[in-house]
Amino acid sequence: ILNVEQSPQSLHVQEGDSTNFTCSFPSSNFYALHWYRWETAKSPEALFVMTLNGDEKKKGRISATLNTKEGYSYLYIKGSQPEDSATYLCAFERGATNKLIFGTGTLLAVQP
Amino acid sequence: DAGVTQSPTHLIKTRGQQVTLRCSPKSGHDTVSWYQQALGQGPQFIFQYYEEEERQRGNFPDRFSGHQFPNYSSELNVNALLLGDSALYLCASSLDGPGAITDTQYFGPGTRLTVL
Repeated sequence: ILNVEQSPQSLHVQEGDSTNFTCSFPSSNFYALHWYRWETAKSPEALFVMTLNGDEKKKGRISATLNTKEGYSYLYIKGSQPEDSATYLCAFERGATNKLIFGTGTLLAVQP
Repeated sequence: DAGVTQSPTHLIKTRGQQVTLRCSPKSGHDTVSWYQQALGQGPQFIFQYYEEEERQRGNFPDRFSGHQFPNYSSELNVNALLLGDSALYLCASSLDGPGAITDTQYFGPGTRLTVL
């Protein structure tokens, strides 16, 4: 059984706060780790695809790190804004299969 | 450039009925995957189509079937609907054929299926 776990389940922060979430995944047969942002009533939006141990990616105020040996990835948001409010999903890809195994997501609410 | 589109947006069916959901992939993409998201869970992989064939399948019963057309669009069919089939069904497209340079899967907004 392949489990992808995300923590925390939900997070409430104030505008301007920096925050981070964790995604844990199996460390065997790793191919890629995907991060998505999903706003209510919209399509999940791809943020990052991470493939190399030690990889670090950045998109504006959002960045992510990857540790494939210990099986975790962190997503950081610097200076959270209300428009960052969404569910953040990570998905593990085992082998080059294009088959994604998702966690249950972290729901972020940013209060103005 | 149109992204992934899905139809219908919402659907209500009764137990035992059959349903067909449709997906048009992002322009230039040749691979379509389907996911089911039940309440409180992350999306779960149903199956994937490439070159009009089912390439791999998740842990879903045979009541779930699909099809991919020559223009790469896809359908998901569910027979003998159960209450537990109520969920959001997501379609994702990617490029897997010659020229593929990214593993990013692009998702549609989903079809919300309610089974009464």
